[in-house]
Amino acid sequence: DTAVSQTPKYLVTQMGNDKSIKCEQNLGHDTMYWYKQDSKKFLKIMFSYNNKELIINETVPNRFSPKSPDKAHLNLHINSLELGDSAVYFCASSHGARRGGPNEQFFGPGTRLTVL
Amino acid sequence: AQTVTQSQPEMSVQEAETVTLSCTYDTSESNYYLFWYKQPPSRQMILVIRQEAYKQQNATENRFSVNFQKAAKSFSLKISDSQLGDTAMYFCSYEPGSGNTGKLIFGQGTTLQVKP
Repeated sequence: DTAVSQTPKYLVTQMGNDKSIKCEQNLGHDTMYWYKQDSKKFLKIMFSYNNKELIINETVPNRFSPKSPDKAHLNLHINSLELGDSAVYFCASSHGARRGGPNEQFFGPGTRLTVL
Repeated sequence: AQTVTQSQPEMSVQEAETVTLSCTYDTSESNYYLFWYKQPPSRQMILVIRQEAYKQQNATENRFSVNFQKAAKSFSLKISDSQLGDTAMYFCSYEPGSGNTGKLIFGQGTTLQVKP
């Protein structure tokens, strides 16, 4: 029944490691997003894919690389993790950013990443 | 660049009373969309209400309503008959009407505590 799922929900790792967060949606949506919520709870978009095409690529270190194998999945890979990468990462999906109209986004439960 | 400002970091209200959360935004566009999202302690982001800028009528969803003042670029959320389950962080967000990327720009959030 889960609409947007993320794995893992918690991730604790050492500085310098490489890690991935996976996201899947079963809503039939065309567009998927990654957001970062920092320690002050501020939410900022990182990436967005529409039908496997990258349409938003905000100013994010190139250690972060999104990958969309199909329109139901959007994974986030992070290389050489740094202390400042500690945050909650949310995946979201919507019916289609390019269809026009209000673009209600459905969020996953978030992944809390802690870099030690 | 568009910005969203929530000037109330924290608010509290007694159960069954009414509370209004403020939000202002800055944009040069005439068409756009506005949303309020709720993030309870569970961390899940939940859409509360949305408003299309071209609609003059204020959106309403059960106990939640907005006061949309386009000229003033203001979009406040009113919660009537507050319930303990309304305790959460509330985020105001803006989606540009152009570009068709679905990008959401969030305010800093307002933490609402509903007291019994």
